[in-house]
Amino acid sequence: KAGVTQTPRYLIKTRGQQVTLSCSPISGHRSVSWYQQTPGQGLQFLFEYFSETQRNKGNFPGRFSGRQFSNSRSEMNVSTLELGDSALYLCASSPDRGFTEAFFGQGTRLTVV
Amino acid sequence: GIQVEQSPPDLILQEGANSTLRCNFSDSVNNLQWFHQNPWGQLINLFYIPSGTKQNGRLSATTVATERYSLLYISSSQTTDSGVYFCAVERDDYKLSFGAGTTVTVRA
Repeated sequence: KAGVTQTPRYLIKTRGQQVTLSCSPISGHRSVSWYQQTPGQGLQFLFEYFSETQRNKGNFPGRFSGRQFSNSRSEMNVSTLELGDSALYLCASSPDRGFTEAFFGQGTRLTVV
Repeated sequence: GIQVEQSPPDLILQEGANSTLRCNFSDSVNNLQWFHQNPWGQLINLFYIPSGTKQNGRLSATTVATERYSLLYISSSQTTDSGVYFCAVERDDYKLSFGAGTTVTVRA
């Protein structure tokens, strides 16, 4: 069974640009969550989607957005990139939201220059 | 929100030694997981353990939900055990809250 797949693995963008990251969950998993990891703030929750509906959102500015498609694949978008958006972005998938185990992808490392 | 504290922040071990990592959380939880972050950044699942005790090879974990803490035991440590260990909890809001991690260094 394939794991959680995130693309791209690495990305370099310029301040002011926008970026879209993709996450394909484990087959059969319907919940996808996104997290940002930085040296200063650690691992922080961005948002969670289940059956195309956002059920929770972390404390991030509106420049961060996401969506989930009918096949459970998810994308997150960051507009008007800032230097501080440089981070490792991790996606997790779970079978359902009945407090089940979450599995993470390898992450996308975004560098904003 | 729920607070998660991990201790110690750093741990240096000689190969073959045993160690205990601790995770305290501030409120009741429905989910608790331990992860090991590999050098490429991926979080590797170690245990899904909202309560009770589990063992997997040289690793074991215990969660005492009523007292709001969990312990991860590493026995006979190996250099491959080096890395950052995270505890993460979920209450009822569809998100995992992570501790700051424990950085383990195992020396040969």
